[in-house]
Amino acid sequence: DQQVKQNSPSLSVQEGRISILNCDYTNSMFDYFLWYKKYPAEGPTFLISISSIKDKNEDGRFTVFLNKSAKHLSLHIVPSQPGDSAVYFCAASRAGGTSYGKLTFGQGTILTVHP
Amino acid sequence: KAGVTQTPRYLIKTRGQQVTLSCSPISGHRSVSWYQQTPGQGLQFLFEYFSETQRNKGNFPGRFSGRQFSNSRSEMNVSTLELGDSALYLCASSLAPPQETQYFGPGTRLLVL
Repeated sequence: DQQVKQNSPSLSVQEGRISILNCDYTNSMFDYFLWYKKYPAEGPTFLISISSIKDKNEDGRFTVFLNKSAKHLSLHIVPSQPGDSAVYFCAASRAGGTSYGKLTFGQGTILTVHP
Repeated sequence: KAGVTQTPRYLIKTRGQQVTLSCSPISGHRSVSWYQQTPGQGLQFLFEYFSETQRNKGNFPGRFSGRQFSNSRSEMNVSTLELGDSALYLCASSLAPPQETQYFGPGTRLLVL
């Protein structure tokens, strides 16, 4: 049962345009969501997060939107740069109980930004 | 502040052997989580340690174990290695879940022949 899904395996964008990466989840108990960027054979790099009490969080070129009713979140990158080309993972967690320290990841979306 | 470090970075073992991987968290971080990444299964949670106690465990066989020391450094051990254990093993540290961002190390690439 895949509780976090990234339905687009890949996304191709022109430099300077907006990149929108999407993520859906099924577990309504998730209350904290994160986006990570990853290069092959390296560890994920944290980009931005959002708590379930918010619907938007911004950090520079990165904005995450959360729609709890639709169980959907998205990452917007504006403007996109060639250096943004990587695999992007969304991840979700829930507070306490049997969920200590556990992030549930989507399968990732490969973003390619063309010069 | 130094990031999460993992040693070794690369490892080649044969079936039936055992392996120990090490993780040093960011200074001040007390929680360490371990993940396995494979092409087929993606990033899967192995276990989490906090104050030398395992608080959570993923759906992996008992061959996978870990521990945490008083300085928050953590080790994971895989015994009786199988070909399917070939993967990138990642550790992540955070101040103290819940709702604390996890910061990942570079990973240990394990190849089982």
